[in-house]
Amino acid sequence: DSGVTQTPKHLITATGQRVTLRCSPRSGDLSVYWYQQSLDQGLQFLIQYYNGEERAKGNILERFSAQQFPDLHSELNLSSLELGDSALYFCASSVELAGRLGEQFFGPGTRLTVL
Amino acid sequence: AQTVTQSQPEMSVQEAETVTLSCTYDTSESDYYLFWYKQPPSRQMILVIRQEAYKQQNATENRFSVNFQKAAKSFSLKISDSQLGDAAMYFCAYRSESGGGADGLTFGKGTHLIIQP
Repeated sequence: DSGVTQTPKHLITATGQRVTLRCSPRSGDLSVYWYQQSLDQGLQFLIQYYNGEERAKGNILERFSAQQFPDLHSELNLSSLELGDSALYFCASSVELAGRLGEQFFGPGTRLTVL
Repeated sequence: AQTVTQSQPEMSVQEAETVTLSCTYDTSESDYYLFWYKQPPSRQMILVIRQEAYKQQNATENRFSVNFQKAAKSFSLKISDSQLGDAAMYFCAYRSESGGGADGLTFGKGTHLIIQP
């Protein structure tokens, strides 16, 4: 158990819908990352937040957005869903060590199926 | 942009033997970290080992060790005394340190490791 929690574990929805994935980082970790794992694209970095602010952006679609709240939990919002958005979505968190971010610890993931 | 290449989609090894998984990467940066992650059938991503680019000494963690060749941009993982529980997908990953570690990980496509009893 990495200490990172993600809800829900599974999500089934229809094309065109909107969903929200939730992540709670490990206690003390200020940084949260979101990743997408799909058969087509492999593991891709989407976006990172640090203490409530967006810090780095990867291959995140405009239909997707994220935020980190004052209690440090984060949410990934996926809208106008398409079949190709079906994937495993991971959240990871890392602690800051001497001004640098340490290794990332991953949550169990949310399996999104778009029908 | 950085790229990570794992040229072995699948590897098979007998239990108790040693296996080496290959990884190469492409970057123009000098300050970065490299990682190996394991993903068993449960799909959980588990950190196996990490290597700081500025360190010449290869990292080791129990039965897991790396061969880091910075000039060749190569980062292989050696698993000694393979165990059935080592069966998993293994991902090589790169992280730039130019932003203080703020960037996400860049992953290779993975190597599926099969352990033969």
